[in-house]
Amino acid sequence: EVVLTQSPGTLSLSPGERATLSCRASQSVSSSYLAWYQQKPGQGPRLLIYGTSDRATGIPDRFSGSGSGTDFTLTISRLEPEDFAVYYCQQYGGSPMFTFGQGTKLEIK
Amino acid sequence: QVQLQESGPGLVKPSETLSLTCNVSGGSISISYWSWIRQAPGKGLEWIGYTYHSGGTDYNPSLKSRVTISVDTSKTQFSLKLSSVTAADTAVYYCARVGNYGSYFDFWGQGTLVTVSS
Repeated sequence: EVVLTQSPGTLSLSPGERATLSCRASQSVSSSYLAWYQQKPGQGPRLLIYGTSDRATGIPDRFSGSGSGTDFTLTISRLEPEDFAVYYCQQYGGSPMFTFGQGTKLEIK
Repeated sequence: QVQLQESGPGLVKPSETLSLTCNVSGGSISISYWSWIRQAPGKGLEWIGYTYHSGGTDYNPSLKSRVTISVDTSKTQFSLKLSSVTAADTAVYYCARVGNYGSYFDFWGQGTLVTVSS
């Protein structure tokens, strides 16, 4: 099983600041198979990024993804009030076919 | 815009079978993979399995012995059955569509809480 470890567990920032979220895999993940989601309370997750760096439809360009191998990053260039949420990374491949990180909570400082 | 909506009992007794349905609208159920994912209270996301319109399936090995996912193309819905449930199966259950490249989930339902308790 590919285990994804996200850090930090909680990130406290102010609107307008830059957020950098990390996702580390226990073994190499193809860059085609790493995705990021945003989840707000009471809602299902929302796809932000797929294929490491491709933004999903309708996602603002302040969201960007990067990385390769075992280290991946989600960057939010300038935080808006609506960006404070929990973020998950997810990989495809291996057994089980899909696994998720434990999440990073982005909270208002 | 594809929309998914979960439905089913919110309370299931231990040792019984959890049954949920996901209704799909705004897109064809016959051209994608359809998945179930769950989230225990205060925990992360766990993939349960998926199905294809032809009936093909794949399941998380940790749940495989208890899970059945099936699709009903005539009703544009797919379903989840999880047998022999325990309190550890208490979670919010989401249905989701696997995206075009097969490696992510591009549309999700809002989720439904299922509590296992006597």
